[in-house]
Amino acid sequence: EAEVAQSPRYKITEKSQAVAFWCDPISGHATLYWYRQILGQGPELLVQFQDESVVDDSQLPKDRFSAERLKGVDSTLKIQPAELGDSAMYLCASSSIPGTEAFFGQGTRLTVV
Amino acid sequence: QQQVKQSPQSLIVQKGGISIINCAYENTAFDYFPWYQQFPGKGPALLIAIRPDVSEKKEGRFTISFNKSAKQFSLHIMDSQPGDSATYFCAVSGGSNYKLTFGKGTLLTVNP
Repeated sequence: EAEVAQSPRYKITEKSQAVAFWCDPISGHATLYWYRQILGQGPELLVQFQDESVVDDSQLPKDRFSAERLKGVDSTLKIQPAELGDSAMYLCASSSIPGTEAFFGQGTRLTVV
Repeated sequence: QQQVKQSPQSLIVQKGGISIINCAYENTAFDYFPWYQQFPGKGPALLIAIRPDVSEKKEGRFTISFNKSAKQFSLHIMDSQPGDSATYFCAVSGGSNYKLTFGKGTLLTVNP
């Protein structure tokens, strides 16, 4: 069964360090999403790609976060510098049609110390 | 402004009972209404979804009821089992950019 792959599963980093997460969507899915989920809350969209183009990054803290999907396949989300408040689960999802039937990966649990 | 409001925040039911979770939205441009199930430490998994052209959709023990005029939709879990204990999220999508927006979640506990 096709899955969204994310790595690493867990990451502990020190405040002010750089951290990066990787996502490989389901093959053929043109839409890729990065969500942040704080414990006990719903996922919050950080950035949405259609192929290699960003279609929504209105909630992405652009002073420290960046995301790219250079060839329209896999994607990287970067935080530099990390802050204590960035501790959360970072989820990647993909869909074949924007906004519908999004499938999520297992997520990366980030802890900033 | 919250795009979708979900209630209750938590729910406890007995095994065999019916679990009901509700969501309300404002934007009439939304045209896709999914429910996701999430276990601790895992990503959300798509459970069932509905479009506004139907009022109900059933898949096994899970049913979505949709009320277009009231701008509300709900998830019903029949014959609830302890294995259904998880957090459930409703979501909405549609409009100009098809952004998938989630509710705050409902923590369901099914007691044996």
